[in-house]
Amino acid sequence: EVQLVESGGGLVQPGGSLRLSCAASGFMFSNNGMNWVRQAPGKGLEWVSYISVTSSTRQYADSVKGRFTISRDNVQNSLFLQMNSLRDEDTAVYFCATSDWGYWGQGTLVTVSS
Amino acid sequence: EIVLTQSPATLSLSPGERATLSCRASQSVGSSLAWFQQRPAQAPRLLIYDASNRASDIPARFSGSGSGTDFTLTINSLEPEDFAIYYCQQRSNWPLTFGGGTKVEIK
Repeated sequence: EVQLVESGGGLVQPGGSLRLSCAASGFMFSNNGMNWVRQAPGKGLEWVSYISVTSSTRQYADSVKGRFTISRDNVQNSLFLQMNSLRDEDTAVYFCATSDWGYWGQGTLVTVSS
Repeated sequence: EIVLTQSPATLSLSPGERATLSCRASQSVGSSLAWFQQRPAQAPRLLIYDASNRASDIPARFSGSGSGTDFTLTINSLEPEDFAIYYCQQRSNWPLTFGGGTKVEIK
C-alpha cells in the first residue's frame, strides 16, 4: 500500500523556521518526482514546490522563493521542506504528493502566529 | 503565471443530475490539465489527467474534455459521494497553478 505521511507541522512565530518531512512507502520513491502543495484554512490549493528524482531540478512558487527549500533523501525515502522567514500567510495544511499527482499524504498543519 | 478561472463557484444539483464544470486558462496549456476532487477534511484525489484521461479507479461517470484554454469536467448522474470541491490544475508551465475551485453541493 502506498503511503505518504507528513510530519513536522506546528505553531511557529512570524520570522521563525520549520522543517516538514514526508515519509514515503509502498512505491519506488527514488523513481518519482515530488511536490509540496498547501491549503490555507477555508481556501483553495496552492502549489508550493517540486523536486525531480535526482534533485537536479527544483521549482518554487513565487510566494515562497528564497524562503523555502525542498530536498529529498532517496535512501531514507523521505521528502523535506525547510521553511524559513515564515509569515502569517504561510499558515496552511501542507501536503506532499507524487509528481504524477496520483498519491497524496493527509497533510500537516503549519500555523504561523504570535 | 497561468491563471485558471473555474466556473461556477458553486453548483447546486440533486443526486442523479449531471454536473458540468468549467476551467478557463489565461493562455494555452495544450492538454496539460488535470482535475482533482476534494472532500471535506481529505486530501485531493486525482480524477482526470492530460485533459481527458481518467486516473486509476475513477468511475466512468467522470469525464474531461477540452484543450488550449477551455476545459470541462462532466459528472454524469451524481452520486452522494460526488458532492465535493473540484479543482483544475495546469502543468504546462512553471509555476504550476490551480483554479479557485467549484463546489458541487446538494440542492
